[in-house]
Amino acid sequence: SQTIHQWPATLVQPVGSPLSLECTVEGTSNPNLYWYRQAAGRGLQLLFYSVGIGQISSEVPQNLSASRPQDRQFILSSKKLLLSDSGFYLCAWSVEPSRDSKFFGPGTRLTVL
Amino acid sequence: KQEVTQIPAALSVPEGENLVLNCSFTDSAIYNLQWFRQDPGKGLTSLLLIQSSQREQTSGRLNASLDKSSGRSTLYIAASQPGDSATYLCAVSNQAGTALIFGKGTTLSVSS
Repeated sequence: SQTIHQWPATLVQPVGSPLSLECTVEGTSNPNLYWYRQAAGRGLQLLFYSVGIGQISSEVPQNLSASRPQDRQFILSSKKLLLSDSGFYLCAWSVEPSRDSKFFGPGTRLTVL
Repeated sequence: KQEVTQIPAALSVPEGENLVLNCSFTDSAIYNLQWFRQDPGKGLTSLLLIQSSQREQTSGRLNASLDKSSGRSTLYIAASQPGDSATYLCAVSNQAGTALIFGKGTTLSVSS
């Protein structure tokens, strides 16, 4: 069966510090991968998606970037965090982007102080 | 721009009641609709996926319907239990299938 992992589970970082969140998927090949953010009082927002190694699409211009160095690894990064980057970051995967369900990881709670 | 609205925002019911959660979307050009459950501080658990050509899907005590032309979906929970307490999120997929547009959710509390 497929599983999706995210780490760290929680993170507290000062403003201006760098960020690296990691997501890995097991039990499937060539998944479509997604990063979502859930901010307080707001719905989930798609940040990035990837259909293959090195292929990243950004949905919302912002302070963050994403990379996919391996087939089942998706990384969310920032060079300098802002207060507004605080939120709950969720990684998701799917087989077919349009037809199939999207499955979510356990999330990373990021607090920027 | 697609917008997804969920009503009510919160709902409290006694155990055993049947209940309906509502979801509406502004653009009927969707590929599919998915219902999720989120427990506090946790990730999302997929409950049901309805393709745009389908009318409903069932899983155990859950039944989700879709009326694409009117931009509505409902999630029916039969014989609610305290373990059903969670936030329920509705999301529609754009035509390319790359993005899920989420509502803000309905927080359900089932008391024993």
